[in-house]
Amino acid sequence: EAGVTQFPSHSVIEKGQTVTLRCDPISGHDNLYWYRRVMGKEIKFLLHFVKESKQDESGMPNNRFLAERTGGTYSTLKVQPAELEDSGVYFCASSLLTGGPYNEQFFGPGTRLTVL
Amino acid sequence: AQSVTQPDIHITVSEGASLELRCNYSYGATPYLFWYVQSPGQGLQLLLKYFSGDTLVQGIKGFEAEFKRSQSSFNLRKPSVHWSDAAEYFCAVVTSGTYKYIFGTGTRLKVLA
Repeated sequence: EAGVTQFPSHSVIEKGQTVTLRCDPISGHDNLYWYRRVMGKEIKFLLHFVKESKQDESGMPNNRFLAERTGGTYSTLKVQPAELEDSGVYFCASSLLTGGPYNEQFFGPGTRLTVL
Repeated sequence: AQSVTQPDIHITVSEGASLELRCNYSYGATPYLFWYVQSPGQGLQLLLKYFSGDTLVQGIKGFEAEFKRSQSSFNLRKPSVHWSDAAEYFCAVVTSGTYKYIFGTGTRLKVLA
């Protein structure tokens, strides 16, 4: 069974440009999460989808970030316009809905975003 | 606010030596506790988790962790490290009522041949 996949693996853009990151969760996983790791810091939660609905977006840094999950399947995270401090590794994770928070979250390999 | 502390940013051990990675959390009640490992180019992989019951938890790849409520700790151990264990290790908690992980800053393990 395929794991969580993320595209692209790397992205280098200039300040002010737009970037869209994509995440494909494990099939059947209704929970989908986005996290970000800025260099040298801890991995921080951004938001949580249950199917197509945003359950918790308390970690979204500001309104330059827009996350969507079309039809409860794949998800996109758009940054517009990108700023230097948005650089980091963006992780996507998914988990089953049954079992609650104790369920393992399965992580993708991450997208490394560099804003110049 | 809940927080997780991994005091050691880098640890170097010789192959075959024992390993202990420290993790302390700040939370009033017993949280859900996790250890993940990230090898280069890979996503985070779950090593083990704890919620209740036996405070010594066995995980994959020969790892174990012990929950100590009195010390608010959940340290990861391995009796004999293999070169393939070189990776970055993350401790995380999930608190009641949420699904979001709160991570420590990670510990990067280097294994000497």
